[in-house]
Amino acid sequence: NAGVTQTPKFQVLKTGQSMTLQCAQDMNHNSMYWYRQDPGMGLRLIYYSASEGTTDKGEVPNGYNVSRLNKREFSLRLESAAPSQTSVYFCATPDGDEAFFGQGTRLTVV
Amino acid sequence: RKEVEQDPGPFNVPEGATVAFNCTYSNSASQSFFWYRQDCRKEPKLLMSVYSSGNEDGRFTAQLNRASQYISLLIRDSKLSDSATYLCVVNFNDMRFGAGTRLTVKP
Repeated sequence: NAGVTQTPKFQVLKTGQSMTLQCAQDMNHNSMYWYRQDPGMGLRLIYYSASEGTTDKGEVPNGYNVSRLNKREFSLRLESAAPSQTSVYFCATPDGDEAFFGQGTRLTVV
Repeated sequence: RKEVEQDPGPFNVPEGATVAFNCTYSNSASQSFFWYRQDCRKEPKLLMSVYSSGNEDGRFTAQLNRASQYISLLIRDSKLSDSATYLCVVNFNDMRFGAGTRLTVKP
């Protein structure tokens, strides 16, 4: 039982390149979230999906798109990466009160 | 104003000390409250939920004051293994995190 799996774990992009961060959960939860974490800023919500087929903006959605492909998978896409998007990205899925996180993706945009 | 604000820290304390973290939140309609722990370069994990009546789990005590929109975490008899960042979390329609307070417990 893997819980929440994120890929890749590390990525370096050049400014302007695009990429998709993948997240899959095998916990059969309805909700899935994408956060970014920057030093001194805590986790900030980018987008969330309350159920399959729905997505909503969080605190910092600009520069990102998401797709809730099915109940298991929630992907985050950077269409044209910028240095300001250098961060650690976490996918999470809540179950009632507790949120379960993936191990994170460390993204550097140069 | 940030939705969830925490003491900036860092806190550096000796083993055996008692340390308290504070957190305030802006959305009075928030429904549930938590403390998460995050070790360096790891994902956050639930430490404990916070209830209006207050709750205790071993050396850890969490309290909620809805009128003041204030949450606290008290750690008694600190251990080296308590060194981590502690995140205050508030849930309304989604989960919002504070910036975290780093704790270092020294021998």
